[in-house]
Formats: sequence, C-alpha cells, structure tokens
Amino acid sequence: ILNVEQSPQSLHVQEGDSTNFTCSFPSSNFYALHWYRWETAKSPEALFVMTLNGDEKKKGRISATLNTKEGYSYLYIKGSQPEDSATYLCASPNDYKLSFGAGTTVTVRA
Amino acid sequence: DAGVIQSPRHEVTEMGQEVTLRCKPISGHDYLFWYRQTMMRGLELLIYFNNNVPIDDSGMPEDRFSAKMPNASFSTLKIQPSEPRDSAVYFCASRGQGGETQYFGPGTRLLVL
Repeated sequence: ILNVEQSPQSLHVQEGDSTNFTCSFPSSNFYALHWYRWETAKSPEALFVMTLNGDEKKKGRISATLNTKEGYSYLYIKGSQPEDSATYLCASPNDYKLSFGAGTTVTVRA
Repeated sequence: DAGVIQSPRHEVTEMGQEVTLRCKPISGHDYLFWYRQTMMRGLELLIYFNNNVPIDDSGMPEDRFSAKMPNASFSTLKIQPSEPRDSAVYFCASRGQGGETQYFGPGTRLLVL
C-alpha cells in the first residue's frame, strides 16, 4: 500500500487570493502522480497526470509541480474563485490501482 | 460519450436486505474499479477488473460483498446482507488500456437503516 499524504486537510481562501497545498508520496519506484478535483455531490474528475521530475502542468488557473526525488507535488490555484471550492485529491498508481490521499478541501469565500 | 453510468444514484434500504449497485463503464475501457467513500476511510478501492476478470479484490470488506462483470459493458456490486456500516457513496470508475486516467461515475449514495 502506497502512503500518499496530503496537507493541509482543509483551507479557506478569500476570493481572488492564490493558494497552494501539498501531496507527498514515496519517492522510490516512482511511476506517476495523479491529481483529481472532487466537487461536493459530484464525482472525482481528473486534473493532471504527472510523470517527470520537474514537470509542471497547467489547466486554467490551476497548476501543479512535481518533485520525484523528494517525493512531493504542489497544486496551485491562482486568483481563487468560488467555483474552485472542492476537495483536491492526489493519487499514486500501484499496478493499475490508484492509492488516494485523504484530500485537501478548499473553500473559497466570496 | 455518456461517461461512466451508475445506478441507482440513491438507495435507502433496511438492514439485512440485499443491495445491488450497477455500473456501465465507458465503451472500450478495459479496466473497471469499484470504490467506496466514507468519512473515516476516504476513497478506498474495493475491487478492480481487467477485461471482465477480477484482478484484485483485497479491498472487499468481507464476504457480504461480491462483484461481477459478466461482460465488458456491465458490472455489479452486491451487498448481502446489508448493514448500517455499509452506508457510504460507492463509485465506479473505468480506464482504457493505454491511458492513465480513471474516469469516475456519479456514485451511488447508499443508506442502510
């Protein structure tokens, strides 16, 4: 079982502010790291799949970086909007299974 | 593409009753996953199939849980008999052979009274 950890567990952001949070994972035998966005009452939706050390991916105001040597990934939200409120999950694949972290729940206050 | 389809979306049942959850993966996807989401344990994998064959069922809580995939377009997760602690949201997800991303269905919210 891969130990994927996320911090903080939750955070509150004022609309317009930027924020970031962390996913840490075992750096040995790294294969890939997934980020998912999970809105309340909906299903998890894939954001990024990251595979290369130093990788940076972007989707609108959301971006992610990857450091496979030290075993962490940051997810950034620039200029947070209320619609960014969701739980952000990271996951590490093991064979064809995904081991999910507990998530960071972001609440953006208008 | 309609995405992953799950039914029912909500289920309320009484303890001891049999519950059957259904999933239709995205057409052409070779892998199908059943997850359970609870406050205590987060999102946990129960079982997954590859080409309709169960590959890893180590996450299935106990013998009351069973899953089948009779063909490439349909899978069921059955709980018999159901217990209140089975109350959770059950997600089905699928992925293709060449892809990494899993695509999740809308989930079934199960409440066992």
